[in-house]
Amino acid sequence: GQNIDQPTEMTATEGAIVQINCTYQTSGFNGLFWYQQHAGEAPTFLSYNVLDGLEEKGRFSSFLSRSKGYSYLLLKELQMKDSASYLCAVKGNTGKLIFGQGTTLQVKP
Amino acid sequence: SAVISQKPSRDICQRGTSLTIQCQVDSQVTMMFWYRQQPGQSLTLIATANQGSEATYESGFVIDKFPISRPNLTFSTLTVSNMSPEDSSIYLCSALGRDRGLDPEAFFGQGTRLTVV
Repeated sequence: GQNIDQPTEMTATEGAIVQINCTYQTSGFNGLFWYQQHAGEAPTFLSYNVLDGLEEKGRFSSFLSRSKGYSYLLLKELQMKDSASYLCAVKGNTGKLIFGQGTTLQVKP
Repeated sequence: SAVISQKPSRDICQRGTSLTIQCQVDSQVTMMFWYRQQPGQSLTLIATANQGSEATYESGFVIDKFPISRPNLTFSTLTVSNMSPEDSSIYLCSALGRDRGLDPEAFFGQGTRLTVV
């Protein structure tokens, strides 16, 4: 079976750092994606990890450990506009993406 | 990055009718997918659209309810048939880039917000 877990909700303060975790158990692994989705909009691509380690892209970083079935998305210097849902998705061997339930992040002043 | 045009962007439909959603990609892609996103929830994969052959459906989704076409590499349609209020949702088209090594991300259309009354 396939199982992707994320926390449902998180709250953080503007200017702070927040880490959103994702654990997965899937039949086949060909990369892990993070997407950001604002209410009423389509998901937008944030990061992609296929090898273990940290990928940094500006204020956003993503980490992957394939042996542990674990990833996290790190958001630094939080801004109010970062309030959104963050979706973890695993690409299996067939190429299709399976999504976790998403984490709703609320950034407070 | 590929650009995906999806239409209609929203529609309100009567129960028992059908709606066809179109998805056009501006470049050739290897794979196209259709997702559903119900209010407050994440994305659920409906099916993989296969060029020139029947789509591959996920558990819980059937061809009679969600017929899918993909006549070429850049175009696909999803039909929501015999609609009921439970079909009210956002439907998203997605595509994978042609060269997975250079273009690993999956792109999304802007979605179709369907309301069935």
